[in-house]
Formats: sequence, C-alpha cells, structure tokens
Amino acid sequence: DQQVKQNSPSLSVQEGRISILNCDYTNSMFDYFLWYKKYPAEGPTFLISISSIKDKNEDGRFTVFLNKSAKHLSLHIVPSQPGDSAVYFCAAVYSGGGADGLTFGKGTHLIIQP
Amino acid sequence: GAVVSQHPSRVICKSGTSVKIECRSLDFQATTMFWYRQFPKQSLMLMATSNEGSKATYEQGVEKDKFLINHASLTLSTLTVTSAHPEDSSFYICSARDTLQSANYGYTFGSGTRLTVV
Repeated sequence: DQQVKQNSPSLSVQEGRISILNCDYTNSMFDYFLWYKKYPAEGPTFLISISSIKDKNEDGRFTVFLNKSAKHLSLHIVPSQPGDSAVYFCAAVYSGGGADGLTFGKGTHLIIQP
Repeated sequence: GAVVSQHPSRVICKSGTSVKIECRSLDFQATTMFWYRQFPKQSLMLMATSNEGSKATYEQGVEKDKFLINHASLTLSTLTVTSAHPEDSSFYICSARDTLQSANYGYTFGSGTRLTVV
C-alpha cells in the first residue's frame, strides 16, 4: 500500500517554462514533507521541504505548495533549466513518531527540453 | 552542512559471499541512521532503522538475519548483506539524521552503494 504517490513517472517541460511535479499522500499522520532530486547511482539531494502548518514554502526557483485537505503537494520549478533534468522524489514523515525514516514516492523523471 | 559518507560506492561479489557497507556521519553525531534500498525505476524503500547501541528496527518483509545492521558508535552504521544472491543486487542508500538541522528535517543521505551479485 503506497502511502506516498507520484502518479506521473515522467514529465517533459521546455526550458524556461514552469515545471510542476505532483505528489499525493494517504497517511493523515504525515506532517512534514520533503522534495529530493536524484541522479542514477547517487544519493538523493534535498531541495525543499514544508511543514503541515504551512501551505507554501519558497526557495529561489523552487516552491512547494501543500493542500492538507486534499492530501496533495506540488513542487514548482520556475524557470526550468537543463540542469533540472533528474528524478524528483516526494517524501513524507510523521514528526511525532520519534526517529522515523522517510516514506518516498516512486519519483517523477523530469526532462527539460532546450 | 551535514555530510554522510557511504562506502563502497559500488561492489561486485560472488553469490554466497557477504558484503559490508559503511555509513558515516562526518560532522555530526547520529543516534539514528536509516538504510534504504532502491530497485531500478522504483522508490527508495526503507529497510531498517539503525539505533546506536541497540538493535535495529526492520521494516516488514526485510530479513534481519540477511541484512545485519550494526550501529556501534554515534557516527558509524554498517549494513552487511549475508550470503548474497543475485536478487539482492540493488542500490543501497543510508541516511543519518542531524537533529540540529531544520531545513531538511535533519535527514542527510549518503551517495549510495551499487551492489551487484554474480
């Protein structure tokens, strides 16, 4: 039973346009969400996170939106650059669970076209 | 920022042998480390939570006798894949949590280990 879902295996976006990556979760206990960028044969690199007490967090070209009622979050990258091409993972955790590991989605392969 | 070092980055071993993977937190102490596994084009699946000075907590379906975890110090956790078989071939990634960091909730990942069992 997948508690974090990324339903788009891949996404192709033109350079300079906005990339929107989506993520849904089913476990209402999750209260902290993170986005990671990953290349093959490398560990994930942290991008941005959001606590469930917020609905938006922005860091440079990256913005994460959280809709708690819909159990949905999205990562916006604008403007998209060729170096953004990678697999993006959404992850969630319940902060009150002590030392819990992250629950990851299956990832979305973002391809930025010149 | 926090750095997690994972070694080796890749290893090829013969079926039936054991392989040890090390995960070190370089500039912080981690009472808890995590081990993940990723199959091609799949998610990162949490295998176990490694607790310093105590037994690891394994996720459902992960064989604790096959994947031995030792967390003997606050900066080192090891994963040993015992009697490896070709189906154990995968990408293994460790993570350590620095509770003093806030932005990424303290989770820092190693660079991963590509294990190939032949």
